[in-house]
Amino acid sequence: GAVVSQHPSRVICKSGTSVKIECRSLDFQATTMFWYRQFPKQSLMLMATSNEGSKATYEQGVEKDKFLINHASLTLSTLTVTSAHPEDSSFYICSAPGQGAAGETQYFGPGTRLLVL
Amino acid sequence: GNSVTQMEGPVTLSEEAFLTINCTYTATGYPSLFWYVQYPGEGLQLLLKATKADDKGSNKGFEATYRKETTSFHLEKGSVQVSDSAVYFCALIPTGDFGNEKLTFGTGTRLTIIP
Repeated sequence: GAVVSQHPSRVICKSGTSVKIECRSLDFQATTMFWYRQFPKQSLMLMATSNEGSKATYEQGVEKDKFLINHASLTLSTLTVTSAHPEDSSFYICSAPGQGAAGETQYFGPGTRLLVL
Repeated sequence: GNSVTQMEGPVTLSEEAFLTINCTYTATGYPSLFWYVQYPGEGLQLLLKATKADDKGSNKGFEATYRKETTSFHLEKGSVQVSDSAVYFCALIPTGDFGNEKLTFGTGTRLTIIP
């Protein structure tokens, strides 16, 4: 099946620094990718839709300047957490929709755990 | 708006027990319904889905039936195994959102099976 990878799997950074998280579709192309944030014991919260070749679409309440998204190619989307603060510590997950008949199925990356000190 | 409500966990069962994880939804029309599973240390994987009323999704011994009248999509398995220990998420895609694929998730239910 389709595989989505994320890098890094976990990162620790100091408050005020920026962190970039990569999401790659390994064996298929994705014009759209989704970024989620997962809080402990809570559901996945959709942050934004990443669109190849155009601006990302952010969900209500998500700061665009805080969470920069770039969909540079059909297989890569990046999420940059700018000027990170401890409250940004979370588990970030990306996904990409399948193609053709699997279009409704989302393929998820393994997630990136961010800890901001 | 659209929402998914699933039973709070954690759920702990003995091996070979019967499993039910309740899921109800709020959405207009006929959304597509999904169960995703997240095994320890792994990303979410699609477990099963149903796209119209009375459809039954099934996979790996798990089943869920799309019940429009009760707006439910409960997950069941007749005999659970230790390897079923994971977090289970119920989710939907609203009617007519094909091509958008924005999933709305429930809060997840952590299932632990003890030998």
